[in-house]
Amino acid sequence: AQKVTQAQTEISVVEKEDVTLDCVYETRDTTYYLFWYKQPPSGELVFLIRRNSFDEQNEISGRYSWNFQKSTSSFNFTITASQVVDSAVYFCALSTQETSGSRLTFGEGTQLTVNP
Amino acid sequence: NAGVMQNPRHLVRRRGQEARLRCSPMKGHSHVYWYRQLPEEGLKFMVYLQKENIIDESGMPKERFSAEFPKEGPSILRIQQVVRGDSAAYFCASSPEGVSTDTQYFGPGTRLTVL
Repeated sequence: AQKVTQAQTEISVVEKEDVTLDCVYETRDTTYYLFWYKQPPSGELVFLIRRNSFDEQNEISGRYSWNFQKSTSSFNFTITASQVVDSAVYFCALSTQETSGSRLTFGEGTQLTVNP
Repeated sequence: NAGVMQNPRHLVRRRGQEARLRCSPMKGHSHVYWYRQLPEEGLKFMVYLQKENIIDESGMPKERFSAEFPKEGPSILRIQQVVRGDSAAYFCASSPEGVSTDTQYFGPGTRLTVL
């Protein structure tokens, strides 16, 4: 079975602070894929990144960076110099070869509020 | 290149009525997934379909819920005799090949309110 845990339910920061959103996953499969999605107040789900289990290189995209560590089964997401527009719910998700198609298992999400 | 389309965006039904939610996948995608997001919760998988086939419906409630993806036209999620507990956001996602390497792209969701 697969499981994704986002222990931080809510985080509140002041603009320009750095913030890290934690994600811990469980799977018995050796081949799997990890995702982050953003859900802004408007409600849609926006794809941010996909990472496969064989690639532990960290990734940076502008103010966003992701730290994948297989040893701790974590895939954490850091926003540098946060902005008010970063306020959203962020979901970490997992798909594996055990499940059908690319079916996703989501964490419960972290509500990030960036205050001016 | 249009993304995943869902309609209606908002749907209000009274208890006992039927709700029909529609999803058109991205161009070139033939795999559709439905997820439900209850208030203050994460997304839960419901069903995975390819054209004319239900591949995995392990997340669907056993009663009142059904899904289809016909050869022509959008995928439909149908909820019969809705109850208040069905109030949620229903998201559709599509992917090109239905393999674990795919990335799923989501539609804007349908917010169902049952009065």
